[in-house]
Amino acid sequence: DSGVTQTPKHLITATGQRVTLRCSPRSGDLSVYWYQQSLDQGLQFLIHYYNGEERAKGNILERFSAQQFPDLHSELNLSSLELGDSALYFCASSKDRTNEQFFGPGTRLTVL
Amino acid sequence: GDSVTQMEGPVTLSEEAFLTINCTYTATGYPSLFWYVQYPGEGLQLLLKATKADDKGSNKGFEATYRKETTSFHLEKGSVQVSDSAVYFCALIIFSGGYNKLIFGAGTRLAVHP
Repeated sequence: DSGVTQTPKHLITATGQRVTLRCSPRSGDLSVYWYQQSLDQGLQFLIHYYNGEERAKGNILERFSAQQFPDLHSELNLSSLELGDSALYFCASSKDRTNEQFFGPGTRLTVL
Repeated sequence: GDSVTQMEGPVTLSEEAFLTINCTYTATGYPSLFWYVQYPGEGLQLLLKATKADDKGSNKGFEATYRKETTSFHLEKGSVQVSDSAVYFCALIIFSGGYNKLIFGAGTRLAVHP
């Protein structure tokens, strides 16, 4: 158990819908990272938040957004969902911007 | 740009066989190197790491040595078990633009049979 929690574990929705994925980092970790794992693209970095502020963006679509709240939990919002958005979404946390990252169990999103 | 290349899978072995999963990297600067493991239905777990040249990371019988001259970080285990069946990801982390940029290889699936 890494100490990073993600909810929900599974999510099934339809094209065009909007969903929110939630991540709680390890106690004391200020950084939260979001990743997408799909069969064709592998593991891709989406976005990084540090102590409530966005610090870096990776291959994140404009339809996706994220935020980190004062209690340091983070949410990833996916809108106008397409079939190709079906994937595993992982969140990771680290103590600061330079430390190793600890991964949550992931949320499996299925878009029908 | 920075990248990680690892051998394609699946790798299929019998129990107690020797395992090598090759990993090479391209990076500017001096990255730290990691192996993560993903068991079925679970998230990624850090298996081992090495932060500078010639460092050897080890954990649970797995080892990998940071070879700067060959830009490699091959994963080895002397005797695999069925419980080692998982997907293994080689990764590098480099401090760039004020944050840790973690870059993964494509992953190598290992299947160990009794």
